[in-house]
Amino acid sequence: SQQGEEDPQALSIQEGENATMNCSYKTSINNLQWYRQNSGRGLVHLILIRSNEREKHSGRLRVTLDTSKKSSSLLITASRAADTASYFCATRMDSSYKLIFGSGTRLLVRP
Amino acid sequence: EAGVAQSPRYKIIEKRQSVAFWCNPISGHATLYWYQQILGQGPKLLIQFQNNGVVDDSQLPKDRFSAERLKGVDSTLKIQPAKLEDSAVYLCASSLVLPSEYQETQYFGPGTRLLVL
Repeated sequence: SQQGEEDPQALSIQEGENATMNCSYKTSINNLQWYRQNSGRGLVHLILIRSNEREKHSGRLRVTLDTSKKSSSLLITASRAADTASYFCATRMDSSYKLIFGSGTRLLVRP
Repeated sequence: EAGVAQSPRYKIIEKRQSVAFWCNPISGHATLYWYQQILGQGPKLLIQFQNNGVVDDSQLPKDRFSAERLKGVDSTLKIQPAKLEDSAVYLCASSLVLPSEYQETQYFGPGTRLLVL
């Protein structure tokens, strides 16, 4: 069963705008990771946030984690056409080594 | 640094036939993963190796799927016999250590796109 579910399923924005994607999960986690997938570069790790962290930044990416609501958000600022891809959250629980991926948000950045 | 290599990139077979996928992880990566990604969904873990031992194969359909990792390096995933619902992209990934350590990033290969007719 899916642990993480992304929202929205699809998002279309203009280049230069910000994009926000949300992820909800069901059980307690050790960490949550965001990955990007496009046809050119496959699936690529973007950022990891641990359960005791609330916010993390990496370049134009900002991730937040609210363990009380079991949710995370990924913000991409000043989007570019090259950000067009599917974005997946993946969670790892304390009791398991495995990563469980959500179904993804498909982002289209229009030039 | 060379990435995770997979072959073939594409495969078309008829149902009930057999197929095998190959993966060469990043040099020095002890942990290797096989995922199945059905169109429109996120990757689902099939099996995880630590060196040449299996850590988790709870979601591997063992009646038709098998995987091995000889000498703790390359790995093969086999489907025998294939069903229509096996049509998917099969992704291989590797990481330095088991996720209990600090470094948990998984590095993915380009995948093998399988179509079962």
